[in-house]
Amino acid sequence: AQSVTQPDIHITVSEGASLELRCNYSYGATPYLFWYVQSPGQGLQLLLKYFSGDTLVQGIKGFEAEFKRSQSSFNLRKPSVHWSDAAEYFCAVSNQAGTALIFGKGTTLSVSS
Amino acid sequence: DGGITQSPKYLFRKEGQNVTLSCEQNLNHDAMYWYRQDPGQGLRLIYYSQIVNDFQKGDIAEGYSVSREKKESFPLTVTSAQKNPTAFYLCASSMERFQGADTQYFGPGTRLTVL
Repeated sequence: AQSVTQPDIHITVSEGASLELRCNYSYGATPYLFWYVQSPGQGLQLLLKYFSGDTLVQGIKGFEAEFKRSQSSFNLRKPSVHWSDAAEYFCAVSNQAGTALIFGKGTTLSVSS
Repeated sequence: DGGITQSPKYLFRKEGQNVTLSCEQNLNHDAMYWYRQDPGQGLRLIYYSQIVNDFQKGDIAEGYSVSREKKESFPLTVTSAQKNPTAFYLCASSMERFQGADTQYFGPGTRLTVL
């Protein structure tokens, strides 16, 4: 069965520092992968997605993610974090039937000044 | 503005009561979804609907019911059979029958608390 693991529950990064959020997936075929961001008490917003082609995907708000099949990973990166990036980040993979998304448990990002 | 609206934002329920959460979208999307979010658990799929008058159970459908009589509406009823309904509920939609790569757009959520 498909699954998504986000190993880090909570990460704190200094403003201006680089960020990497980890995501590992379990999937039998080529996966469709997503990163979403959620501000407190709000819905989710799509940052980026991968389904084919270039393994380095650019998203909104300066985020990017790299698909590495050999490592079953889809890590999210940002070169310089802003205080407004503090939020919860979810990695997701589409299920095998292609009918819905399977989400990781999320990583909470705090930004220190 | 196009988007997904959920109401109410906060909902309080007494034990033994059924409550209905509203989800409306004006994006002309075919597919709609309900997720439940608990702290540290991520999002779990309750029900989804790929087309009007059709819906399917997700991973945690027990104690919940839905209807899809109109394309733009997908209400979720939390019944008294749901033993632990206190959670944050998110509705989402996608343009077509979900084919793996489609983007899901989320509403702002409803926080349900059982008193």
